[in-house]
Amino acid sequence: GAVVSQHPSRVICKSGTSVKIECRSLDFQATTMFWYRQFPKQSLMLMATSNEGSKATYEQGVEKDKFLINHASLTLSTLTVTSAHPEDSSFYICSAKEGGSNEKLFFGSGTQLSVL
Amino acid sequence: RKEVEQDPGPFNVPEGATVAFNCTYSNSASQSFFWYRQDCRKEPKLLMSVYSSGNEDGRFTAQLNRASQYISLLIRDSKLSDSATYLCVVRGTSGTYKYIFGTGTRLKVLA
Repeated sequence: GAVVSQHPSRVICKSGTSVKIECRSLDFQATTMFWYRQFPKQSLMLMATSNEGSKATYEQGVEKDKFLINHASLTLSTLTVTSAHPEDSSFYICSAKEGGSNEKLFFGSGTQLSVL
Repeated sequence: RKEVEQDPGPFNVPEGATVAFNCTYSNSASQSFFWYRQDCRKEPKLLMSVYSSGNEDGRFTAQLNRASQYISLLIRDSKLSDSATYLCVVRGTSGTYKYIFGTGTRLKVLA
């Protein structure tokens, strides 16, 4: 089956630093990738949708200048949390969708970000 | 009103029991529906898609009721390994691939 690789799996950083998270589709071309955030005991909250070669579409309330998304190729999307603060600590997870009518989402294994 | 609503549980059931979860959605134009399973701090994994005619996969049965805007998941003969959070997922209207996740229902199967 399709595989999505997400790195790193865990990041601990100081407040004010920037953190980049990578999401790669290993055996298919992902025309659309989604970035989610999940707080403890809550569900996944969609942050943004990125389409290869175009700007990401951010959900209401998500700061695009803080959460930079780049989807430069059909197999790679990155999320950069700029100037991270403790309130940004969360579980970030990406998912990818193949092109066409295939509706299945394939998830990365997630990144646990802890900002001290 | 949330776009996708689920009872958060937890549902504590003995092994071998039958348990059912419901999920309601607010957008009547929603196109596709899914059940995902998520173990603690892991990525969600697709359990099954939900079709209008209903569908079954082993011990799992999913139903969709468009008129009442809810979907259900029935698990028969529960196993300890079924303990997880079950997420109801609804795909947006035609032309968009925005997937909305419910808050999830926690299931604990007890020995």
